[in-house]
Amino acid sequence: EAQVTQNPRYLITVTGKKLTVTCSQNMNHEYMSWYRQDPGLGLRQIYYSMNVEVTDKGDVPEGYKVSRKEKRNFPLILESPSPNQTSLYFCASSGRVQAGGSSYEQYFGPGTRLTVT
Amino acid sequence: AQTVTQSQPEMSVQEAETVTLSCTYDTSESDYYLFWYKQPPSRQMILVIRQEAYKQQNATENRFSVNFQKAAKSFSLKISDSQLGDAAMYFCAYRREYGNAGNMLTFGGGTRLMVKP
Repeated sequence: EAQVTQNPRYLITVTGKKLTVTCSQNMNHEYMSWYRQDPGLGLRQIYYSMNVEVTDKGDVPEGYKVSRKEKRNFPLILESPSPNQTSLYFCASSGRVQAGGSSYEQYFGPGTRLTVT
Repeated sequence: AQTVTQSQPEMSVQEAETVTLSCTYDTSESDYYLFWYKQPPSRQMILVIRQEAYKQQNATENRFSVNFQKAAKSFSLKISDSQLGDAAMYFCAYRREYGNAGNMLTFGGGTRLMVKP
């Protein structure tokens, strides 16, 4: 079954304690992204990756790190979490869009609810 | 930069009735994709319907249809014969045709739809 998995699904932590949220996809997709969802703001892109070892900032990258050492995995790292990073996080993957080709939808993971106290 | 606006934070509809959710967007591009996503209480992001900007015909998927007005930059979602399972948060989203930033989606703030039995 084609899917994007995230772990953990729920996480409560304290300010400053480093944490990692894992993301894995089994569709051999080139593109992967992290989004955060906040009330009234929808989802906003944090970081994205176009391929292995190729990552770049999205719209709200401050306080986050990512890595893409393998095609299937794209972990999100919070080195020193703060309360303003309390949010719902989604990992997503999609295939490469080709000229004249059809839209490649984003496949979303189930979400990770993070609370930083 | 593109922006997506959903002006209705909450909507309600009687079961079996029809409801329309509004979405407007701003872009200087002529080719792009528009999406409606459904997020039920499970938090999973579910693609409801997609519209290619170059297509004049409005997309339909069973009870879901859109009213795409390119000149007005409007993209509303109509749900016919509303069912209790339609109760969810609905997000409107925009994506450039060839994708940028890993096929980044720009989301509106969401509309919470309640369905009354």
